[in-house]
Amino acid sequence: AQKITQTQPGMFVQEKEAVTLDCTYDTSDPSYGLFWYKQPSSGEMIFLIYQGSYDQQNATEGRYSLNFQKARKSANLVISASQLGDSAMYFCAMREVVKAAGNKLTFGGGTRVLVKP
Amino acid sequence: ETGVTQTPRHLVMGMTNKKSLKCEQHLGHNAMYWYKQSAKKPLELMFVYNFKEQTENNSVPSRFSPECPNSSHLFLHLHTLQPEDSALYLCASNERWDSTEAFFGQGTRLTVV
Repeated sequence: AQKITQTQPGMFVQEKEAVTLDCTYDTSDPSYGLFWYKQPSSGEMIFLIYQGSYDQQNATEGRYSLNFQKARKSANLVISASQLGDSAMYFCAMREVVKAAGNKLTFGGGTRVLVKP
Repeated sequence: ETGVTQTPRHLVMGMTNKKSLKCEQHLGHNAMYWYKQSAKKPLELMFVYNFKEQTENNSVPSRFSPECPNSSHLFLHLHTLQPEDSALYLCASNERWDSTEAFFGQGTRLTVV
């Protein structure tokens, strides 16, 4: 069974500073994908970044980067130059791909980020 | 705006009521999902539909009944719910079963009284 752990229930970050959100995972599958989603107060889950288990380089998307340490089974999200609009819940998720059955995402408990002006 | 639309956004229903949640996408996606987000639990996958066929039921009680009449629409029919079923119900879709990114709707906030 897959498991995702986010140990930080909430954190404050000063505007324009960087913040690291922790995520550790556990799986016996050799092939998996790791995601980060942002959930603002409006409710929808917004895809931020993806890292495949066989990807050699850490994923980056604009101000988001994923610090992937496969041996330690961690996939931390780094948000650089925080903005007020970054205040939201952030979820780490892992994908199990079941052929012809679709993606099955397992989510962590989330980290609430509040950016202070 | 992700292209996945859920209605209604908020729903209050009694335990004896029957209601339906609707999810719609015109992104050309062929896989659609229902997730449940409770207050103190991580998001849980409920159902997966792939090309209109249900391919996953994650041990969901029968008082939740999904329906996928076509690749663009997904329903969740609700009847005789319990107060502990109160949650945010999120619909998601992606192009095919092995696509990387899933697009989520804004969810339906359900309260069972």
